[in-house]
Amino acid sequence: DTEVTQTPKHLVMGMTNKKSLKCEQHMGHRAMYWYKQKAKKPPELMFVYSYEKLSINESVPSRFSPECPNSSLLNLHLHALQPEDSALYLCASSQDLPRQGYYEQYFGPGTRLTVT
Amino acid sequence: SQQGEEDPQALSIQEGENATMNCSYKTSINNLQWYRQNSGRGLVHLILIRSNEREKHSGRLRVTLDTSKKSSSLLITASRAADTASYFCATANQGAQKLVFGQGTRLTINP
Repeated sequence: DTEVTQTPKHLVMGMTNKKSLKCEQHMGHRAMYWYKQKAKKPPELMFVYSYEKLSINESVPSRFSPECPNSSLLNLHLHALQPEDSALYLCASSQDLPRQGYYEQYFGPGTRLTVT
Repeated sequence: SQQGEEDPQALSIQEGENATMNCSYKTSINNLQWYRQNSGRGLVHLILIRSNEREKHSGRLRVTLDTSKKSSSLLITASRAADTASYFCATANQGAQKLVFGQGTRLTINP
């Protein structure tokens, strides 16, 4: 199974709402990632987890809160978002951390988030 | 910044033609990867080329790497409508724990 799944596919939320994005992989990968992608732009790294511990936080605002409950699951908790946070949120996993770009990343289909 | 720059930003060709897109990067790398993204979907890994390789093939894909010029190219031969997508190169600095993606090339194959 080489699939990364993400739920929900689409999410519309108000600025006062709290919601969560979920990501799951069953490939035994030890590194998991959250990316944010705006239209016609490359994915922008937000967080990296390695062996269930937060390894990188790319100075992401605290209204985004990641969680890695176990080696297969990754959540992104959202609270008090702004309209400019509307984007495609992608989850990815890899066998291990990039280590000079050695490991390929497997991406989920993404969650299209709209903040109203 | 390690970020790759790709050109062209957009490319439109007829089905059956070859498509070439280029990626340049700034610092030394050990590996370079190419990914494809269909509209609004996740990225799919296409190919990885190591710094000691000059050329690599996978089906209709041919990737070259010139470390002296810090550049790579992706050639898609005999293009098909299904190749319509955005293509990104990705690199990681030596010692870095993350991939950085180039700006991407949006490829359109016209029937």
